[in-house]
Amino acid sequence: AQSVAQPEDQVNVAEGNPLTVKCTYSVSGNPYLFWYVQYPNRGLQFLLKYITGDNLVKGSYGFEAEFNKSQTSFHLKKPSALVSDSALYFCAVRGNFNKFYFGSGTKLNVKP
Amino acid sequence: NAGVMQNPRHLVRRRGQEARLRCSPMKGHSHVYWYRQLPEEGLKFMVYLQKENIIDESGMPKERFSAEFPKEGPSILRIQQVVRGDSAAYFCASSLEDRGIQETQYFGPGTRLLVL
Repeated sequence: AQSVAQPEDQVNVAEGNPLTVKCTYSVSGNPYLFWYVQYPNRGLQFLLKYITGDNLVKGSYGFEAEFNKSQTSFHLKKPSALVSDSALYFCAVRGNFNKFYFGSGTKLNVKP
Repeated sequence: NAGVMQNPRHLVRRRGQEARLRCSPMKGHSHVYWYRQLPEEGLKFMVYLQKENIIDESGMPKERFSAEFPKEGPSILRIQQVVRGDSAAYFCASSLEDRGIQETQYFGPGTRLLVL
């Protein structure tokens, strides 16, 4: 079965501290992995993707994600969180026949 | 290059009416996906279309819901005889095909449907 899991409904972090939002996936073949961010009453914005190559992928707004094949994970990270990073984050994987599977979302709260 | 456009942004319907949601993909994108999002929940896949073809409609209810992506014009998600449970945000995403593979999806701002 193809799926994405985001085990944390919510992540709380203080401004200036590093943040991690977790994602694990299940897909046959080589995974295409994505992270999106959603601000209130807005659509999803693309942050970054892993297709192939370097396991550490850098994206928008200082975010990066690390692909770990053995752990089937693709955790989103940022070295120093900003209050403006507070939003809903979705991990996604492209499965067979170009169908995309999204995680349930993780709400990130960055406190001043 | 304009992004994915959806209209209307907000739609209010009474029970039993029809809702028609439109999505114009990014320029050059020939593939469209529709998702539904309930408050405080994730995205639920509904349907995946290519120009003039439905590729995968496994996430769409069998009754009252239909989708199309004509050769000319926007993709349309149509909900007939709406019920209160249809109230949700509906998002459209488009992608570019590269050698048979859909890579990044780009999302529109969504249509928020409220059924009274």
